[in-house]
Amino acid sequence: DVKVTQSSRYLVKRTGEKVFLECVQDMDHENMFWYRQDPGLGLRLIYFSYDVKMKEKGDIPEGYSVSREKKERFSLILESASTNQTSMYLCASSLTGNQDTQYFGPGTRLTVL
Amino acid sequence: GESVGLHLPTLSVQEGDNSIINCAYSNSASDYFIWYKQESGKGPQFIIDIRSNMDKRQGQRVTVLLNKTVKHLSLQIAATQPGDSAVYFCAEFNNNAGNMLTFGGGTRLMVKP
Repeated sequence: DVKVTQSSRYLVKRTGEKVFLECVQDMDHENMFWYRQDPGLGLRLIYFSYDVKMKEKGDIPEGYSVSREKKERFSLILESASTNQTSMYLCASSLTGNQDTQYFGPGTRLTVL
Repeated sequence: GESVGLHLPTLSVQEGDNSIINCAYSNSASDYFIWYKQESGKGPQFIIDIRSNMDKRQGQRVTVLLNKTVKHLSLQIAATQPGDSAVYFCAEFNNNAGNMLTFGGGTRLMVKP
């Protein structure tokens, strides 16, 4: 079974703090993704990566950066957290990008005060 | 712009009845579709997928129907059980849009005992 894990289930941070969200997959998948999920807006893609050290902007990259130093790990970074970044963050991975199913982690509920 | 949407935000069914969750998509170039189930506090879980060269695909208690003429996708759940209560998302994959899925807003399925 594919396993995607995220470092925290719940996080509370203050405005201006730097926040790291970690995601690890154990199936040697090439592609990894970060989404945020908000009521009424569904899942929106922030960034994705199709290889180590490679990254591509998704639909809403502003205020975020990512890092992929190892194939199994994809980090989402909020350089200076703001209250509008309070959300559920979901990591996903897929074997390749060619019509492969994305498998999701359990999510991290981030609250920025 | 291109979008994937759901007709009904909430669906309430009696235990044992069949459920039908609908999804409309507007991008005729989309060639791969996935249904996800998301239970409260968890990440989306893959249910079933279908490629555009198919009209129907069946899994265990679930069937996905694809009508390319009217750009409509549906998920049918037979003999709905309380454990089926969740939010269901459809997602479309378009090769022309890179390695990204576009998600619908989700439909909440509530199963009454």
